[in-house]
Parts: sequence; structure tokens; C-alpha cells
Amino acid sequence: GAVVSQHPSWVICKSGTSVKIECRSLDFQATTMFWYRQFPKQSLMLMATSNEGSKATYEQGVEKDKFLINHASLTLSTLTVTSAHPEDSSFYICSAPSGRDNEQFFGPGTRLTVL
Amino acid sequence: AQSVAQPEDQVNVAEGNPLTVKCTYSVSGNPYLFWYVQYPNRGLQFLLKYITGDNLVKGSYGFEAEFNKSQTSFHLKKPSALVSDSALYFCAVRPLYNQGGKLIFGQGTELSVKP
Repeated sequence: GAVVSQHPSWVICKSGTSVKIECRSLDFQATTMFWYRQFPKQSLMLMATSNEGSKATYEQGVEKDKFLINHASLTLSTLTVTSAHPEDSSFYICSAPSGRDNEQFFGPGTRLTVL
Repeated sequence: AQSVAQPEDQVNVAEGNPLTVKCTYSVSGNPYLFWYVQYPNRGLQFLLKYITGDNLVKGSYGFEAEFNKSQTSFHLKKPSALVSDSALYFCAVRPLYNQGGKLIFGQGTELSVKP
């Protein structure tokens, strides 16, 4: 099946710094990728849809200047959390659709801790 | 508004007993339906999906789910639970019109299987 990877798997940073998270489709191309945020034992909240070669589509309430998304190639999307603060600490998961039914394949997630 | 409901935050089952994790949805038309499992600090793993056809769908790790159109439900079941099934389970739907793959998730149900 299709494989999606994320890097890093976890990151700790100081408040005010920026952090970049990568999402890669390893054995398929993805013109669209999705970025989710998840708090402990809660559901996934869709943050934005990453579109290859064009601007990302953000969900209501998500600050696009805070969460910068770049989908520069058919296998890579990046999420940059700018000027991170402790409230940005969360588990970030990406997914990409593949196959006839556009089934979603999820990355393993990135745990971000902002001190 | 389109939504997915998992009415139980937690389900407790003894090992060897059957388990059911409930899911109902409110989406216009005939959506695609999915179940995912999440282990701690990991991404989501696909269990099974319903697109069309037989209402009883069989998936990974011995799980199955039954699509009931009249009750708009898609409950996840397993005849004999294992301790290793303990995890967080998510039901998700994708409206038929949304061919890009965007999913609507339920809030999740934590399954605990005791020896």
C-alpha cells in the first residue's frame, strides 16, 4: 500500500522559534495532502489542504500566517509553525490520497513541544 | 451540517469477548465510510472501508463493520477481542461529492481490552 512519512517524528523547540515539519509520499505522487492537528485523546482537526503548485486552503479559524504550508513537489508538503508558542504544542499528522477511491494514507505524526 | 458521531468515549471489553464500537453519521447522499485505528503517538492505520456493495465489510486484524443505511450507522465489530486491540478508534466519512479525499472524523472511541 501507499506509504506516507513525516519528519521529524518529534521536536522540542523554544518559544518564538519556527519549526518545519515534512510530509512525504514515498511510493506515489500526491497533488493534494492534508494537515491535521490532534490534542491528546481527541479527534483529528483538519487544519489545511495542501495543493501542489498553488496556495493551501485553510480551514476556518486556522491562521495561515502562523501555519505556513508549501507543497513544492508531487511528493513533499511542508508545514512550518512560525513563532511557535506553548499552545502550539500538539501532535501534527499529514495524509495523502491515493488509489482509485482516493483513500487517505496517514503519516506517523510529529509530536511538537514548545517550551 | 455534516457530522460523524461516536457516542462512546470509551469501550471496555474482556479479552475473548465480542466488541462493538459505534458510529453514526449525518451526511447527504451515500458517503464513503472508513474506520481507522491509532496507537499511542502514532499516525492512523486503515482498518476497513465501505464504498458500495455488501453491507458487511471485512477488514484488517479480524475487524468488520456493518453499513446500515436506514440507521445511518457503520458500527465496528470483532468477534473476539485481543488485549492488543486496545487503542483509539476513529470512524470517518467522505461525502460523495468530495472526490479530493477530505474526511470528516468522529471524536474517537478508546477501546480497552482487559485480560
